[in-house]
Amino acid sequence: QQQVKQSPQSLIVQKGGISIINCAYENTAFDYFPWYQQFPGKGPALLIAIRPDVSEKKEGRFTISFNKSAKQFSLHIMDSQPGDSATYFCAAAGGNEKLTFGTGTRLTIIP
Amino acid sequence: DTAVSQTPKYLVTQMGNDKSIKCEQNLGHDTMYWYKQDSKKFLKIMFSYNNKELIINETVPNRFSPKSPDKAHLNLHINSLELGDSAVYFCASSQEGWSNTGELFFGEGSRLTVL
Repeated sequence: QQQVKQSPQSLIVQKGGISIINCAYENTAFDYFPWYQQFPGKGPALLIAIRPDVSEKKEGRFTISFNKSAKQFSLHIMDSQPGDSATYFCAAAGGNEKLTFGTGTRLTIIP
Repeated sequence: DTAVSQTPKYLVTQMGNDKSIKCEQNLGHDTMYWYKQDSKKFLKIMFSYNNKELIINETVPNRFSPKSPDKAHLNLHINSLELGDSAVYFCASSQEGWSNTGELFFGEGSRLTVL
């Protein structure tokens, strides 16, 4: 049973555009929602995270939008750059549940 | 200074062999993990140790045995390797306990290829 569903599987965005990756979760005990970024040949690294007491968190060009009632959250990358090309994982944790990762989105930014 | 380091980075071996992957973290964290990433990039937790004590043991064949000699080290030993064990194995650590709400710091991964 997949507790965190992520889409799309892959995404191609033009340089300067907005990249949007969506995630949905099932377990209402989750109270921590991070996004990890993974470059080829490297381990994932924390990009940005949100807790359900806010509906949005912004760090530079990266924004998480959170909809508690819909049990959905998304990552927006504004002004996408070729250096943003990577695999992005959403995740969720909380209560007695371990951190559960989404299935990943391979993002490619084209010039 | 690498925060979470794993060795070896690449490992190619024959079916049936036994191999080990070592992991060390210099962040002073109490909790360490092993994750498996398959060819489709799925990240799946295998084990979690908190201060040398096993906390999470997912449904992993008992051919996989983690060992934590101290809280800065978590090694993974795999017996009787099978083709399906081919994957990238990531070690990670975190300051938070087993509730996993803290930031995970990953190593660069160990790519295991079983022929």
